[in-house]
Amino acid sequence: EAGVAQSPRYKIIEKRQSVAFWCNPISGHATLYWYQQILGQGPKLLIQFQNNGVVDDSQLPKDRFSAERLKGVDSTLKIQPAKLEDSAVYLCASSFSGGVGETQYFGPGTRLLVL
Amino acid sequence: QQQVKQSPQSLIVQKGGIPIINCAYENTAFDYFPWYQQFPGKGPALLIAIRPDVSEKKEGRFTISFNKSAKQFSLHIMDSQPGDSATYFCAGVTGANNLFFGTGTRLTVIP
Repeated sequence: EAGVAQSPRYKIIEKRQSVAFWCNPISGHATLYWYQQILGQGPKLLIQFQNNGVVDDSQLPKDRFSAERLKGVDSTLKIQPAKLEDSAVYLCASSFSGGVGETQYFGPGTRLLVL
Repeated sequence: QQQVKQSPQSLIVQKGGIPIINCAYENTAFDYFPWYQQFPGKGPALLIAIRPDVSEKKEGRFTISFNKSAKQFSLHIMDSQPGDSATYFCAGVTGANNLFFGTGTRLTVIP
């Protein structure tokens, strides 16, 4: 079974530029999550999708971050404009239906450096 | 606000030792407590998990001990191996299956 795919793996941009990350979840998984992992910290949930609908985006900085999952499969996370403090690894995860205790499967992440 | 507090930040043990990682939580809405293992350059992967109605769970060399009244839980790794060297995260999970991670413990097992 293929895992969660993410691209690009690395991205370097200057502050105030925009950037987009792509995620393809495990086939058949209805629930998709985006996390931000700052160096030395645990991942923090940014947004959760159930199919193509948003379940929780309470921790998404909506003034600069946006995410979509138009067809209920793959997803993009965008930052515009980027700030220095956005330097982090952006992890995508998926689970079968989002039920409590369901395993979330993580992709390898996209490492973003904002200069 | 850190909902799950984890310690120690780093841990070094000899091969065969038993590293112990501790976590404490405040949010009583958590109803599932997983541990994730993360190797450099990889995403976290589920290692073992426990529900709050159970005091202990073992899977192979990994054991979770859970104290509901103290709102604390810990991970023990028996007969640790160099391949166990990784960063370990505890987490609490809410009803929406949202993970709230601890700050992580970097474990190094010396051969």
